[in-house]
Amino acid sequence: TQLLEQSPQFLSIQEGENLTVYCNSSSVFSSLQWYRQEPGEGPVLLVTVVTGGEVKKLKRLTFQFGDARKDSSLHITAAQPGDTGLYLCAGAYEDYGGSQGNLIFGKGTKLSVKP
Amino acid sequence: EAQVTQNPRYLITVTGKKLTVTCSQNMNHEYMSWYRQDPGLGLRQIYYSMNVEVTDKGDVPEGYKVSRKEKRNFPLILESPSPNQTSLYFCASSLSNYLGGDTQYFGPGTRLTVL
Repeated sequence: TQLLEQSPQFLSIQEGENLTVYCNSSSVFSSLQWYRQEPGEGPVLLVTVVTGGEVKKLKRLTFQFGDARKDSSLHITAAQPGDTGLYLCAGAYEDYGGSQGNLIFGKGTKLSVKP
Repeated sequence: EAQVTQNPRYLITVTGKKLTVTCSQNMNHEYMSWYRQDPGLGLRQIYYSMNVEVTDKGDVPEGYKVSRKEKRNFPLILESPSPNQTSLYFCASSLSNYLGGDTQYFGPGTRLTVL
């Protein structure tokens, strides 16, 4: 069974602080996605990274894919209360051909940003 | 409006009473999938379907059945529900099964309690 370790599990910070969430595996990803989920709703895709070393930015969110495609990080600059939610990473493993039929999710990071 | 719908949103039932959770998408997507989300375990894939009449097991298929007779619908069937199937269920769809290129859209979730 493939494992995708996500850390930290919980994060409570003050508005304006920076934070980083990590997603790691011992296996190589063909691609990796980050989602955000709010209470009572389904996950919403934020970004997909495909190439090793790739960096993508979405306003105050920066997503990085490791050079070896085994890890990824999500960095939020100057967090705001509206960033509160559950952040999930999900990866497709190279040995499965990278299809979504074999998408593995991390357990998530529950972020709380206090005003 | 492009969306994935699930019904019912909430369901309380008793052990052994067959139930079906419906899922429908209006985006002409080929790929559809069912997940369950449990505290401490994250999102785990139950079944997925690459296209009409093509279904396959995910990570936790025991106790569940699915069918894909039409492109837009992908119902989840619990023939004999048990308390360990109490969970939050999500249906998802995407244009194809290529994780690196397509967005996966999630439904709003179905909260199931089996007494």
